[in-house]
Amino acid sequence: EVVLTQSPGSLSLSPGERATLSCRASQSVVSSYLAWYQQKPGQAPRLVISGASTRASGIPDRFSGSGSGTDFTLTISRLEPEDFAVYYCQLYGHSPRFTFGPGTKVDAK
Amino acid sequence: EMQLVESGGGLVKPGGSLRLSCAASTFTLSAYDMNWFRQAPGKGLEWVSSIVSGGAFMYHAESVQGRFTISRDNAKNSLFLQMDSLRVEDTAVYYCARGRIFGDFWGQGILVTVSS
Repeated sequence: EVVLTQSPGSLSLSPGERATLSCRASQSVVSSYLAWYQQKPGQAPRLVISGASTRASGIPDRFSGSGSGTDFTLTISRLEPEDFAVYYCQLYGHSPRFTFGPGTKVDAK
Repeated sequence: EMQLVESGGGLVKPGGSLRLSCAASTFTLSAYDMNWFRQAPGKGLEWVSSIVSGGAFMYHAESVQGRFTISRDNAKNSLFLQMDSLRVEDTAVYYCARGRIFGDFWGQGILVTVSS
């Protein structure tokens, strides 16, 4: 079973700053099976990135995903107030079918 | 507007049962693999169950295997989760979500509380 580790656990930044979130897999994975979600308090998760680097519908271009093998990154180039949230990485597999990282909380400094 | 709406949650005693429903509107559920995820209070996301578009194959997390059953009624554009032998640790917000490799669209979630 692949384990996903996210770092940092939390990030305090100001609007306009750059956020860099890391997701590391315990073994090499298929990039097309790696996704990122944004979740705000009291809301359902929202898909941000699929296939490691493809922005989901309606996601602004300040969000970008990159990486391969075991190391993946979600970058928010210039934080907007609505970007403060928890971000999860997720991997599709066979058993279990979906694995999530523990999340990175991005909050306002 | 595309929607997934969960229902059937609530308070149940340990050992009890609940059946969650997820109704889709403005898109055809039958075209998609569907999933249930959950999130315990203050915790992260956990996959629960998945079912392929035609309903022939179902998958469950080890933590719910033998207690939960996912099903679908494509004619009614609906997804279900039968939850039996509920435990305190099943307390969570349950979300239905569309997609095979990732969840590209999620319902708003429904709270299930298992407590005596």
